[in-house]
Amino acid sequence: SSELTQDPSVSVALGQTVRITCQGDSLIRFYSTWYQQKPGQAPVIVIYGKNNRPSGIPDRFSGSRSGNTASLTITGAQAEDEADYYCSARDNNDKLVFGGGTKVTVL
Amino acid sequence: QVQLRESGPGLVKPSQTLSLTCSVSGGSMTRGSYYWTWIRQPAGKGLEWIGRISTTGRTSYNPSLNSRVTISVDSSTAHFSLKLTSVTAADTAMYYCAKQDWNCSGGTCYDWFDPWGQGTLVTVSS
Repeated sequence: SSELTQDPSVSVALGQTVRITCQGDSLIRFYSTWYQQKPGQAPVIVIYGKNNRPSGIPDRFSGSRSGNTASLTITGAQAEDEADYYCSARDNNDKLVFGGGTKVTVL
Repeated sequence: QVQLRESGPGLVKPSQTLSLTCSVSGGSMTRGSYYWTWIRQPAGKGLEWIGRISTTGRTSYNPSLNSRVTISVDSSTAHFSLKLTSVTAADTAMYYCAKQDWNCSGGTCYDWFDPWGQGTLVTVSS
């Protein structure tokens, strides 16, 4: 399968923890990358590979993988974390695919 | 620090060819084993990988667009291009160019897009 499946939306109370998941067969072989996109802006990487954060990304963002599911966890969500989050990874034909995106609302 | 910027017509008529250019500044287009990539996003929808070209000119395309898309690179003028033929309203989207880097080790790989251009909106309409 070349699809990555994400829940369309999730909400989290300010300061609480939220986990966003991305499911797909190719994730058994390949690590995912997570992007944050705010309205009117290009996506920005928050996590890539096993659990790598680019410089400037707060350490409240972390990544993990179990079987065919990759997860992005925000520990202590802040108001500025409200955004759309996309996973991406190679599929089993070496093409790149994106998940459908998860809208995170911070309450 | 590599920077990317998309340019091209904002309006294309149905059945015609969409042509966009991505200008690369602040770094070499040929040094390294990364890719130059196009990604699009219809308004209010998710991201779609269109395809990529390597620094050696090898291409790979999204199977859903494969018959209509061509990506080329001109390192001498520091830009790479996207052509999408026979466009319809479904091709209306924000189009982004990005540098795709990758790492493979221990039997697994991962890729990341960074940096991205700011995006250019293309509308297909008569």
